[in-house]
Amino acid sequence: GQQVMQIPQYQHVQEGEDFTTYCNSSTTLSNIQWYKQRPGGHPVFLIQLVKSGEVKKQKRLTFQFGEAKKNSSLHITATQTTDVGTYFCAWFFQGAQKLVFGQGTRLTINP
Amino acid sequence: DSGVTQTPKHLITATGQRVTLRCSPRSGDLSVYWYQQSLDQGLQFLIQYYNGEERAKGNILERFSAQQFPDLHSELNLSSLELGDSALYFCASSVYGHIAPGTDTQYFGPGTRLTVL
Repeated sequence: GQQVMQIPQYQHVQEGEDFTTYCNSSTTLSNIQWYKQRPGGHPVFLIQLVKSGEVKKQKRLTFQFGEAKKNSSLHITATQTTDVGTYFCAWFFQGAQKLVFGQGTRLTINP
Repeated sequence: DSGVTQTPKHLITATGQRVTLRCSPRSGDLSVYWYQQSLDQGLQFLIQYYNGEERAKGNILERFSAQQFPDLHSELNLSSLELGDSALYFCASSVYGHIAPGTDTQYFGPGTRLTVL
């Protein structure tokens, strides 16, 4: 069956350091979405990637979709305390017609 | 503010009881999704409604049911509650949910925190 792993589960960095979270799939994905959930908040949509090898940027955030559409990453350059939260990847599971969320990467930052 | 509203924000109840969670989607959105978020299970999809009809079902227990009304608001009913049902319940909405499913952006509400004692 379709399996997608999100790693790492936790990441603690010093403010100003970079941060990366990865989602790796055993099968080809049609698309991948990224969400951010602040502590005590709700998931907020960040971006969607659809094309093979796609790279999108939002200020200090860079999102990539692998050439084989089996992996994706979110990279934050020079983290700030406002980046604290849990980052989820999500993909559409065709068989069950549902959006499936990864386990998330919880980012904490030392100011 | 996503435009999705959920009530109540917090709910404390006892095992065996029944509760109803309510969600109003963003204006113009036809699809409503329900998710359960617990510490050990992450964000789990429960059920989706599109324009009043059930569209997709996830890991929803038989003790749980949902519906979407003509005005597009939705209710999630949880019955015979168990301690393990304690979680955050999120509602999300999207414009379509049936055309190119999985590519719609989902907008999440603030959630209802359910505590079963």
